[in-house]
Amino acid sequence: AQSVTQPDIHITVSEGASLELRCNYSYGATPYLFWYVQSPGQGLQLLLKYFSGDTLVQGIKGFEAEFKRSQSSFNLRKPSVHWSDAAEYFCAVGYTGGGNKLTFGTGTQLKVEL
Amino acid sequence: DVKVTQSSRYLVKRTGEKVFLECVQDMDHENMFWYRQDPGLGLRLIYFSYDVKMKEKGDIPEGYSVSREKKERFSLILESASTNQTSMYLCASNRQGASGNTIYFGEGSWLTVV
Repeated sequence: AQSVTQPDIHITVSEGASLELRCNYSYGATPYLFWYVQSPGQGLQLLLKYFSGDTLVQGIKGFEAEFKRSQSSFNLRKPSVHWSDAAEYFCAVGYTGGGNKLTFGTGTQLKVEL
Repeated sequence: DVKVTQSSRYLVKRTGEKVFLECVQDMDHENMFWYRQDPGLGLRLIYFSYDVKMKEKGDIPEGYSVSREKKERFSLILESASTNQTSMYLCASNRQGASGNTIYFGEGSWLTVV
């Protein structure tokens, strides 16, 4: 069965600093990979997704993620963090024949210091 | 704009009560999902429906049932609520087809069982 690991439970960065959130997945074939963001008290919003092709994926709000098959990773990055980026971030994996279901990681809480 | 609406945002119920959580989507999506979100555990799939009157168990179906009488509406039912079902419940939907179709989430229903 597929699984997703987000090793960092909490991360604190200063506004304007760069950000990288880690995500590792376990799945035998090529996965479908997603990053979602959740603001306090809200549902999840899709930031970006990877299906195939270019391994560097651009998303909304200036985020990008890179799929590295050799490392089974799909890390999320942003070159300059804004205070409004403070939220919880979830990595998720889907797979062919999975019936559109996703398996989510446990999330990374991002705090931005002004 | 796509819309998944969870009619009850905050509920407080007593142990043993029957609880209904309602979800409506306006995107004519075939698939609908109920997830449960708990701190440190991420999102876990309770049930999944791929068509009217069709359902499939997710990872944690025990203590829950679902109903899908109309395409746009998916209800989660707690037959006899217990305190360990205190949680945030997220409804979601997506279009059937490729496994990577974006899943859209509602804003969540906070349930407290006392």
